[in-house]
Amino acid sequence: DADVTQTPRNRITKTGKRIMLECSQTKGHDRMYWYRQDPGLGLRLIYYSFDVKDINKGEISDGYSVSRQAQAKFSLSLESAIPNQTALYFCATSDPQGVSTDTQYFGPGTRLTVL
Amino acid sequence: RKEVEQDPGPFNVPEGATVAFNCTYSNSASQSFFWYRQDCRKEPKLLMSVYSSGNEDGRFTAQLNRASQYISLLIRDSKLSDSATYLCVVNIRNDYKLSFGAGTTVTVRA
Repeated sequence: DADVTQTPRNRITKTGKRIMLECSQTKGHDRMYWYRQDPGLGLRLIYYSFDVKDINKGEISDGYSVSRQAQAKFSLSLESAIPNQTALYFCATSDPQGVSTDTQYFGPGTRLTVL
Repeated sequence: RKEVEQDPGPFNVPEGATVAFNCTYSNSASQSFFWYRQDCRKEPKLLMSVYSSGNEDGRFTAQLNRASQYISLLIRDSKLSDSATYLCVVNIRNDYKLSFGAGTTVTVRA
C-alpha cells in the first residue's frame, strides 16, 4: 500500500462549488504539505502543517483552506472553486526526526478541473 | 527573480549519451539541495540530495557551486528509463519548506 494517498485522484467540478481534497499517510510523519502544480511552473506551496495544532499559509493560500484532522490526515478545501484553480494537487509529508529532515514524500496527486 | 530557475529543455539525447543541466538558486545562504524526478504527471520522487563536495549515485552525479549559486546534475550512459522531468529543489530559507524549479525535461531516444 502507498504511504501517502490522496482522494479523489481526478475531479471535475463547476465554478462556485465547494470541493475537498483529502490526504492520508501511514509514514508517521508530523509534517504535511499541500502543493499545486501548473504547466511550466514549479510546485507551489499552498499550506503546510508541522503538527496537528499547527497550520501555516504558503505562498498561494488565497481561495484555499485546510484542516489537520489527525497526524495522518490533512485536507485541502476550495470553498468556491474557480477555473484558475484547475491544476494538479499534491500532498506531501516529511519527517523532522529522520536522517534527511528535508526529504518530502509525495502522494500520487489529484487532477482537478474547474469548469 | 524566481527562487529556483532551471532550463526547461527538452534535452533529447540518444541512449548511452551523457546529459548535464544546471539550476540556479536565489539565496546564497541556502543549505539543502536536491534533485527530484517526476515522470509524466506523476508525483515527484527524490532522486538524490546534493552535498557540498559533490556526490554520485550510480550513473548520476550532482554538484554544488556555492560561489555561483547553482547545482548541476549529470547523467552518464543514458537509458530510455531516464526519460523524465528533473526538478531542482532547494530549501531556500533553511526552514523545511522547499522551493521547486519548474523542471528540466530529458528524453532519451533509442
